[in-house]
Amino acid sequence: QAVVTQEPSLTVSPGGTITLTCGSNTGAVTSDHYPYWFQQKPGQAPWTLVYDISNTYSWTPARFSGSLLGGKAALTLSDAQPEDEAEYFCLLSYNGVRVFGGGTKLTVL
Amino acid sequence: EVQVVESGGGLVQPGGSLRLSCTVSGFIFSAYAMSWVRQAPGKGLEYVSGISGSGRLTFYADFVKGRSTISKDNSKNTLYLQMNTLRAEDTAVYYCANFKGGFWGQGTLVTVSS
Repeated sequence: QAVVTQEPSLTVSPGGTITLTCGSNTGAVTSDHYPYWFQQKPGQAPWTLVYDISNTYSWTPARFSGSLLGGKAALTLSDAQPEDEAEYFCLLSYNGVRVFGGGTKLTVL
Repeated sequence: EVQVVESGGGLVQPGGSLRLSCTVSGFIFSAYAMSWVRQAPGKGLEYVSGISGSGRLTFYADFVKGRSTISKDNSKNTLYLQMNTLRAEDTAVYYCANFKGGFWGQGTLVTVSS
């Protein structure tokens, strides 16, 4: 089974910009991996933020955007807000079998 | 309004079996692939299994392959996960999710312990 890697923890200042990444041990992440990004706060179920690299939902704050960057999937948060402090997980597809990354704990400080 | 509600969790002894259910409303169930995701206490999310909208295609993580069966009844808007030969390391909250639609349930806790 493939291994998906994320930064374990990151810190961003309020109002700042930060990029979280999601890599694969099988090589570059592409559109064929259908990358997803999820947000989870303590004690809550996850929320889906982004699907298929860069598509968002009506509930996704406009400050979140997804992309492919340097062979990885990326989630960029612009103008970080205190409520963005959470754990973020990416998900990649390998011919239908999905694998989550280990998650990035994002601190807004 | 979309609702996703899991049930069937509980305490089970090692080696035992459990069937989880997930009943949905508010979207066309047969049009969407569905998945089971678990989260052990204090750990990250783990993909368990997925199924296509029609139910014809199924996918499993290596750690449940051969021990679990995913299925869906489109007439009942219900997703199932039959889990057998349960181990202590299967203890987790199990979530039902429609990844593409962005819908998740609140999860059901499975505890495997003697």
